[in-house]
Amino acid sequence: QKEVEQNSGPLSVPEGAIASLNCTYSDRGSQSFFWYRQYSGKSPELIMFIYSNGDKEDGRFTAQLNKASQYVSLLIRDSQPSDSATYLCALYNFNKFYFGSGTKLNVKP
Amino acid sequence: DADVTQTPRNRITKTGKRIMLECSQTKGHDRMYWYRQDPGLGLRLIYYSFDVKDINKGEISDGYSVSRQAQAKFSLSLESAIPNQTALYFCATRGGEAFFGQGTRLTVV
Repeated sequence: QKEVEQNSGPLSVPEGAIASLNCTYSDRGSQSFFWYRQYSGKSPELIMFIYSNGDKEDGRFTAQLNKASQYVSLLIRDSQPSDSATYLCALYNFNKFYFGSGTKLNVKP
Repeated sequence: DADVTQTPRNRITKTGKRIMLECSQTKGHDRMYWYRQDPGLGLRLIYYSFDVKDINKGEISDGYSVSRQAQAKFSLSLESAIPNQTALYFCATRGGEAFFGQGTRLTVV
C-alpha cells in the first residue's frame, strides 16, 4: 500500500467553478501535509501546508484535513485556466517526504 | 538566482556511461533529498541526507550513489547508466516544506 494515494484524473472543471482534489494516506500517525502544484516539466511549488484537523484557507485555496478518516483535500475556488496543472499531495513522516502520484486538473475556459 | 540549483538541466547520455547530477543550495538547510519522477509514478525517493556524515537510502537507490560534499552540495551519480533511468530528477531541501530545484531531465540511450 502506498503512503499517499491520489486519483490521477484528469479532473476537468469549467472556469470559475470549484475544483476539489482529494488524497488519502495510510499512516495514521502522519502529522504534516502539503499540497504542491506542478506544471509540465517544471518543479513542484508549494501551495499550502496543513498540520491540524479542519480547514485552512489562503486566497482561493482551502486545504482540509481529517485525521480520523485519513484524508486531505484541496479546494480551488473560482478556478482559472492558469490553475491547470498536476497537484501533488505530500506528507512528511519518518524524516522523509512521501508524494502521491498527482491529480491532473484541467480548467476549461 | 534559485535557492536550490541543479546542473545540468538536460542531459543525454549513452548506456553504460557514468554521469553525475549536481545540486547546490543557499537556503542553509541540513536535509537534502534526491527524487526521480516518471509519468504516473509520482516522485520517488532515491537518497536523502541529514548532514555530510549521514546518508540514507530511499525506496529506489539501486543503481545510484550520492555524495554530500558540504552542507550546501549533494550530488547524485549513476555509475553505469541504463535506459530505464531515463527520468526527470529533482533535488530538494527541507525547511518545513520541501524546496525543489529546477530539475534535470536525463535521457539514457
